[in-house]
Amino acid sequence: SQTIHQWPATLVQPVGSPLSLECTVEGTSNPNLYWYRQAAGRGLQLLFYSVGIGQISSEVPQNLSASRPQDRQFILSSKKLLLSDSGFYLCAWSAYGGRETQYFGPGTRLLVL
Amino acid sequence: SQQGEEDPQALSIQEGENATMNCSYKTSINNLQWYRQNSGRGLVHLILIRSNEREKHSGRLRVTLDTSKKSSSLLITASRAADTASYFCATDANRYGNKLVFGAGTILRVKS
Repeated sequence: SQTIHQWPATLVQPVGSPLSLECTVEGTSNPNLYWYRQAAGRGLQLLFYSVGIGQISSEVPQNLSASRPQDRQFILSSKKLLLSDSGFYLCAWSAYGGRETQYFGPGTRLLVL
Repeated sequence: SQQGEEDPQALSIQEGENATMNCSYKTSINNLQWYRQNSGRGLVHLILIRSNEREKHSGRLRVTLDTSKKSSSLLITASRAADTASYFCATDANRYGNKLVFGAGTILRVKS
C-alpha cells in the first residue's frame, strides 16, 4: 500500500532563517506531487506541483521554492523565512493526475517568530 | 476567488442527527471531491463524484451533484462525535489544469 511521510511535524524558526520541509511517498511510482499551505481556519492554497523529477510548477509568487530530486521525494525550501510563511504545510500525491483523488501527508506546522 | 465554496462555514449538531454541507462552484468540472480534515491533521479523501453522476453513496455519506446549478451537497447520516472535523470540497475545473481547487471548508461539530 502507499504511504506518504512528511517531516518535521512541527517547526519553530526565526525570521530570516532557511527552511527545508521534506515529503516522501512509498509504494507508488511517478506520482504527481503537491505542496499546499493552509492558514488557520482556512482552506488549502496550492503552492507547487510536480508531474515528474525536476518538473516544478509554481502557483503563486512567494518566498518559497520546491524541488523534486527523486521520483518520490518533494522538498519545500526557503532561503529566508518571513513571518507570513507561518502555517500548516501539506504534501499530497495523486496517481493519475491532479484531477483525481489526492492523498495527503500528516502535515508540518511551521511557526516563524 | 475560490472555485469551490462551502456552506455553512460552521455547523453544530447533536449526535444521531444528519449533517448537510453544500458546495458551490463557478466553472465546468470533470469531477468534484469531498475531503475531511481532523484538527491538525492531513486531509482524508471521502468521495469523488464525476460530472455525469448525480448521486453517490459511501457508508453513511451521500453526495449529490447538480451541474446545472453548479452545486454539490454532502450528507452525513446518523452523525457521531467522531465525525467532528472540517469538510472540504475540491473541484478540478478544466481551466485549472492538472490540479484541484479547494474551498474554505465547513467546520462540523457533533455533540454527544
